[in-house]
Amino acid sequence: AQSVTQPDARVTVSEGASLQLRCKYSYSGTPYLFWYVQYPRQGLQLLLKYYSGDPVVQGVNGFEAEFSKSNSSFHLRKASVHWSDSAVYFCVLRMDSNYQLIWGSGTKLIIKP
Amino acid sequence: EAAVTQSPRNKVAVTGGKVTLSCNQTNNHNNMYWYRQDTGHGLRLIHYSYGAGSTEKGDIPDGYKASRPSQENFSLILELATPSQTSVYFCASGDVGLGQNTLYFGAGTRLSVL
Repeated sequence: AQSVTQPDARVTVSEGASLQLRCKYSYSGTPYLFWYVQYPRQGLQLLLKYYSGDPVVQGVNGFEAEFSKSNSSFHLRKASVHWSDSAVYFCVLRMDSNYQLIWGSGTKLIIKP
Repeated sequence: EAAVTQSPRNKVAVTGGKVTLSCNQTNNHNNMYWYRQDTGHGLRLIHYSYGAGSTEKGDIPDGYKASRPSQENFSLILELATPSQTSVYFCASGDVGLGQNTLYFGAGTRLSVL
């Protein structure tokens, strides 16, 4: 069955350090993958998306993600985090068969000063 | 700028009472969605709609009804609220399909059922 796993419920990073948030998916078809971000007391916003082509996709605020078919992964990265990046990040899989969205459980990013 | 507005932002209800959560979008999107968010579960789809007059069951529809009277409005109805329905509810709009995959979310409604 299709699924999205974000193995880290919480990640703590010092301000200015690099970041990787992990996402693994399970799906036999062509995956369309997204990262959404939820800032405190707000709704969710799209950060970036991958359909095909270059496996590294750029998003807003310096975020990027790399798709790996061999590893069934879509990890999110940022070279230097800022305190304003504190949020919950969701990895999402869209199935090509019926456009249904499968959500990961989210990773809470905590930035240390 | 795409806009999705939810009301109320906070709601306290009694067990067995009726609760209606409202959502309005100005994006002219055909599809609208209701999710609930609980710790450890991410977002779970309750109901969705392809357009006015249409409602479809999502992954966890039990105990919920939905109504889409117009393109702009999509309501979630709890006829007999239970404490297990205490959660944060998000409405979203978007035309999920080929070339169109972005969902636009409201700010959420925090519901407590006592």
